[in-house]
Amino acid sequence: QSALTQPPSTSGSPGQSVTISCTGTSSDVGGYNYVSWYRQYPGKAPRLMIYEVNKRPSGVPDRFSGSKSGNTASLTVSGLQAADEADYYCSSYAGSDNWVFGGGTKLTVL
Amino acid sequence: VLLVQSGAEVKKPGESLKISCKASGYIFTNYWIGWVRQMPGKGLEWMGIIYPGDSDTRYSPSFQGQVTISVDKSITTAYLHWNNLKPSDTAIYYCARTAKGWLDPWGQGTLVTVSS
Repeated sequence: QSALTQPPSTSGSPGQSVTISCTGTSSDVGGYNYVSWYRQYPGKAPRLMIYEVNKRPSGVPDRFSGSKSGNTASLTVSGLQAADEADYYCSSYAGSDNWVFGGGTKLTVL
Repeated sequence: VLLVQSGAEVKKPGESLKISCKASGYIFTNYWIGWVRQMPGKGLEWMGIIYPGDSDTRYSPSFQGQVTISVDKSITTAYLHWNNLKPSDTAIYYCARTAKGWLDPWGQGTLVTVSS
């Protein structure tokens, strides 16, 4: 299966909101509510930020939110902070016990 | 909940290798464990998952036949094994607890370098 499509990079100023898209097909993102998002700092392991499209694990600030429309899922980071600068990856169930990641988006806080 | 992975490895092409992922802080047999590859400077790739309760294993098509995932539930440890390493296997490998596709938490990662 092909990787999900994310923009390679995005940016925003402190306090602003940014939205990262994750586009798949009806066989993955569009077909299941099993989309998750991960944040990865350089040299560190990823951390779960959103699961099942729009649920936040304990400890994740409510500045992070997820949504889905059709074959595209989105992660919105509100009230941008310097600490939000990182790589973000989406992931989706793709059927038949397969899972797929997006290519990743580098978020820069200006 | 904590997943602790084995240390970095340097191997030659053709050698075999098994890296480990020790889980603690939860009922090991109640959750799947997933493995994820990250090649140098690249994104994340699902490799496969295993259910420690019965060792049911599912591989991503890209990794089927290339690696073996196993588990020893008596010591709450999952493994990723190669029989014939290639330079293209050079990457960081992460394990993570998983259910319904979410991965949490992640191990710290194991860097595998394959070079002659």
